[in-house]
Amino acid sequence: EPEVTQTPSHQVTQMGQEVILRCVPISNHLYFYWYRQILGQKVEFLVSFYNNEISEKSEIFDDQFSVERPDGSNFTLKIRSTKLEDSAMYFCASSEALTRSNEKLFFGSGTQLSVL
Amino acid sequence: QKEVEQNSGPLSVPEGAIASLNCTYSDRGSQSFFWYRQYSGKSPELIMFIYSNGDKEDGRFTAQLNKASQYVSLLIRDSQPSDSATYLCAVNGGRGYNKLIFGAGTRLAVHP
Repeated sequence: EPEVTQTPSHQVTQMGQEVILRCVPISNHLYFYWYRQILGQKVEFLVSFYNNEISEKSEIFDDQFSVERPDGSNFTLKIRSTKLEDSAMYFCASSEALTRSNEKLFFGSGTQLSVL
Repeated sequence: QKEVEQNSGPLSVPEGAIASLNCTYSDRGSQSFFWYRQYSGKSPELIMFIYSNGDKEDGRFTAQLNKASQYVSLLIRDSQPSDSATYLCAVNGGRGYNKLIFGAGTRLAVHP
């Protein structure tokens, strides 16, 4: 069964460093997303991406965050200067292009980011 | 601010019983509703979606939607210990179809 893959599974970084989280969405999906979940808290929307541009972003997704689809398969989230409060599980998700089907999100296994 | 509310639980049910999970949402304009299951330390997994008022059944799962009351529920029949997980209610809160707002989840414990 096709799945969303994320690398790395764990990332430890020092405060102020840049990190790039990587995702390979399901191959025929055209909508891509990043969510995050701080330990014990809700899954929070960060950004959605379609047709090579951001379609919607949350207030969490400030200038420190950026997303990119550098080639035909990868989708990345970059945090330029990490803060302690960026420590969370980051989930990539993707969905199909068809109306209503594009609302059914399939999540990757996540990258646990720890900022020290 | 669009909100999705769930009782955090834990909801404890014996094996074989019906588990009933509830969710309310604040945005009356919401059109699409989802239930995800999340095992500890794992990613959310889509188990049900519903768009219209009424019931929708899929195997042991039934989703129920009442838009007038802004209420959506999930029934799990013949609960199994493997159903023990956190169940996340999610509502489409985006301008289009591409942003889910999640509740905090209800932890379900099914005991043998």
